[in-house]
Amino acid sequence: DTGVSQDPRHKITKRGQNVTFRCDPISEHNRLYWYRQTLGQGPEFLTYFQNEAQLEKSRLLSDRFSAERPKGSFSTLEIQRTEQGDSAMYLCASSSDRRDTEAFFGQGTRLTVV
Amino acid sequence: QQQVKQSPQSLIVQKGGISIINCAYENTAFDYFPWYQQFPGKGPALLIAIRPDVSEKKEGRFTISFNKSAKQFSLHIMDSQPGDSATYFCAASSGDTGRRALTFGSGTRLQVQP
Repeated sequence: DTGVSQDPRHKITKRGQNVTFRCDPISEHNRLYWYRQTLGQGPEFLTYFQNEAQLEKSRLLSDRFSAERPKGSFSTLEIQRTEQGDSAMYLCASSSDRRDTEAFFGQGTRLTVV
Repeated sequence: QQQVKQSPQSLIVQKGGISIINCAYENTAFDYFPWYQQFPGKGPALLIAIRPDVSEKKEGRFTISFNKSAKQFSLHIMDSQPGDSATYFCAASSGDTGRRALTFGSGTRLQVQP
C-alpha cells in the first residue's frame, strides 16, 4: 500500500490520559499536514511540516497538543491530558513540493475520550 | 470565521439526475479550489480541482464551475449514481506562504436514490 497510513485507526481513552497517533506519509512526499474533523464538519487544519521542520501551527493546536516529524519521515501527534472535546477524527495528509496542491489523506484515527 | 461556506448541507438526487453543490469563499488569496469525496470511516479523497484562471473544468461526470468575481464555485455531478452517495467537501488553499494548508467547507451529504 503506497498511500498515507495512520495508526491506530481507532482509540478509546479515558479523560486525562495521553494519546499518541502515528502517520506515515507517501514515501516521496516531504510535506505533511495534520487535520482534525469533528462529526458533521469539514477537516480543520492543525499543523504543517516541511521535511522535519514544523512551519505552521493553527490556533486550534493548544498547549496539550504536540507534533513531531523526526528525520522528515513519519510524524506523531500527541495529545496530553485528553478532554472530551478532543474526541474527533485526526487526519494526516501529505504532498510533495513538486505537486504541492495535491494533498492525499490517510484514513484517519478516530479518537473517543470517555 | 468560516472562510469557505458550503451549501446545501444535504442533498437527495434520483439516479441519473444532476447533483449540484455550491461553495463561496472570502479570502481573495485563495488560488486553488479542490473538491474532496469522503465515504464513512474513510479519509477525504481528492476528486477534482480548479485554479481561478479557468471558469470550468470537467473530468468525466464531474464538473467544477468557477466564478472569480462572485467568489463562488460549484461541483456538478452528472448522471448521478448510487455509488456517488458520500459526503463532499469543497476546499481552498493559498500559495502565499507556500504552505498550502486547506480550508474546508462544512460538507454536503449526498444521497443518490436508485
